Amino acid sequence: EDQVTQSPEALRLQEGESSSLNCSYTVSGLRGLFWYRQDPGKGPEFLFTLYSAGEEKEKERLKATLTKKESFLHITAPKPEDSATYLCAFSNQAGTALIFGKGTTLSVSS
Amino acid sequence: GAGVSQSPRYKVAKRGQDVALRCDPISGHVSLFWYQQALGQGPEFLTYFQNEAQLDKSGLPSDRFFAERPEGSVSTLKIQRTQQEDSAVYLCASSPTAGGEKLFFGSGTQLSVL
Repeated sequence: EDQVTQSPEALRLQEGESSSLNCSYTVSGLRGLFWYRQDPGKGPEFLFTLYSAGEEKEKERLKATLTKKESFLHITAPKPEDSATYLCAFSNQAGTALIFGKGTTLSVSS
Repeated sequence: GAGVSQSPRYKVAKRGQDVALRCDPISGHVSLFWYQQALGQGPEFLTYFQNEAQLDKSGLPSDRFFAERPEGSVSTLKIQRTQQEDSAVYLCASSPTAGGEKLFFGSGTQLSVL
């Protein structure tokens, strides 16, 4: 069964303290691996799409990487405004829907 | 507006009541999705439209759930005879492409069934 697991569930960082969020997946026929950011009371906001192992994407302090089993979201020198829930999702050959993980809630304090 | 708009923002229903949730996607977007998000969970897929055609409704939890997009723009998710387990945030998302992998989400409708 296709599934995605995110860890840790929650992460507390000091401003400037770099870290990584993990997304482990088991998918037959992966079409794409996605990262979204969700702020409280808002819908998810698209960050990145990764399609093949070895691919990397960057945006400001965020970098997403993909292997055959995992994706990482690296956060370099985070700021309090990076505090949010980060969701990992995949699409497979079977359908059009994105399948989301439960998310990692990141809190960055100054 | 420039984004996906959902209404109402909050809905309180008595158990057994019917509710209708509205989604206005970004103009011209082909794909429209409905997701259900329980507290502390990721969004779970409910149904997908490409223009006015409902191509996938495999995520609808029961026949009490019904969605439509009659003119290929605005969509309505209807829940009949609401139950407490229907309490969740209902998210609508649209995409400019068929299949829609980069989704633009609305802020959702928070449904509470008492």
